Amino acid sequence: AQKVTQAQTEISVVEKEDVTLDCVYETRDTTYYLFWYKQPPSGELVFLIRRNSFDEQNEISGRYSWNFQKSTSSFNFTITASQVVDSAVYFCALSEAYRSGGGADGLTFGKGTHLIIQP
Amino acid sequence: DGGITQSPKYLFRKEGQNVTLSCEQNLNHDAMYWYRQDPGQGLRLIYYSQIVNDFQKGDIAEGYSVSREKKESFPLTVTSAQKNPTAFYLCASQDKVSFRGTEAFFGQGTRLTVV
Repeated sequence: AQKVTQAQTEISVVEKEDVTLDCVYETRDTTYYLFWYKQPPSGELVFLIRRNSFDEQNEISGRYSWNFQKSTSSFNFTITASQVVDSAVYFCALSEAYRSGGGADGLTFGKGTHLIIQP
Repeated sequence: DGGITQSPKYLFRKEGQNVTLSCEQNLNHDAMYWYRQDPGQGLRLIYYSQIVNDFQKGDIAEGYSVSREKKESFPLTVTSAQKNPTAFYLCASQDKVSFRGTEAFFGQGTRLTVV
């Protein structure tokens, strides 16, 4: 069965430091999708990035970057020059193509990493 | 503005009562989902629906029921059979037509407390 592990329960850094959130996944499928979501105190999950299993290119979006490595089943997320507004819970999630059968049957989430950026 | 609306934001339930959480979307998405979030836990799938008048159990469906009579609406009922209903409930939708790993959009959640 699929599984997502976010080993870091909570990370606290001082503003402007770089921080990396780890995500390790397990899946039997060769075609799958990985996601990162941000959950601010308001509660709503905000989509950050999607990556499919055939695309191992790293991605950078402003201060955010993602490192996808199939060899280690990891999809890590780095925030450069962190800001107080980055404080939130961050979730990594997995969706398997075979399980969906062409449809849509939900995501498997990690337990989340609570990121605290101190001013 | 397109989006997902959950109501109410806070809900209190007495022991033995059924309560219904509302979820409405105007994104014209085919698929809709209900997740439960407990403190320090990730989101766990309760029910999902890929099309009107059809829905499937997720990983923790016991004690919950849903309906999908309209494309834009997917209400969740927490029944008295749910032994530990206090949690944060999130509704999501997804564009199934183009689904190949498209992102899900989430509502702002309903916090349910048993009193």
